[in-house]
Amino acid sequence: DGGITQSPKYLFRKEGQNVTLSCEQNLNHDAMYWYRQDPGQGLRLIYYSQIVNDFQKGDIAEGYSVSREKKESFPLTVTSAQKNPTAFYLCASSIGGGLRTDTQYFGPGTRLTVL
Amino acid sequence: QQQVKQSPQSLIVQKGGISIINCAYENTAFDYFPWYQQFPGKGPALLIAIRPDVSEKKEGRFTISFNKSAKQFSLHIMDSQPGDSATYFCAASVYQAGTALIFGKGTTLSVSS
Repeated sequence: DGGITQSPKYLFRKEGQNVTLSCEQNLNHDAMYWYRQDPGQGLRLIYYSQIVNDFQKGDIAEGYSVSREKKESFPLTVTSAQKNPTAFYLCASSIGGGLRTDTQYFGPGTRLTVL
Repeated sequence: QQQVKQSPQSLIVQKGGISIINCAYENTAFDYFPWYQQFPGKGPALLIAIRPDVSEKKEGRFTISFNKSAKQFSLHIMDSQPGDSATYFCAASVYQAGTALIFGKGTTLSVSS
């Protein structure tokens, strides 16, 4: 089965702790994205990566960090510096290649709750 | 300039009716306009997309209308069904630059039976 997997589906974290959300794709896509979704806010871009070992900040990167060491993986770390981390996090990928905007395919999401 | 404004925030339509969701943008460089559909607890999925070389695109019951001069585009869902109840997002980007999508805030559609 080809697709994007995110784990875990639900994640609980205590205030002050860092937490890493997993995103894996086996679509052989170059580009990967992280979005945050809050009620009534739509999808806001956190970070995106067009190729391995390269990534760019999105609109709301503060308090987050990413790495792209492998083509198929793009983990997101929510740090303790993120003021309001409780949200639904969505990972996406697209064919990419830096030449055009392709269809973005989304994973099932991770719901993070800070206790 | 980078915003995509979507309306209405929520919409209730009778089964068999037409659902209409509107989006407006400011950045004239945008030239790719997709619509995504999201069911509760799931990730969004591409529904239909349009480039500005056409004013309308239809796929089944779903139609995108595009007005380049007004910088507006809309999604029409004909013969709306309860299974269409979901959140719909419009988005925009510069097609050739490989930039990320800019999403509207979403419209929650409820189709009553």
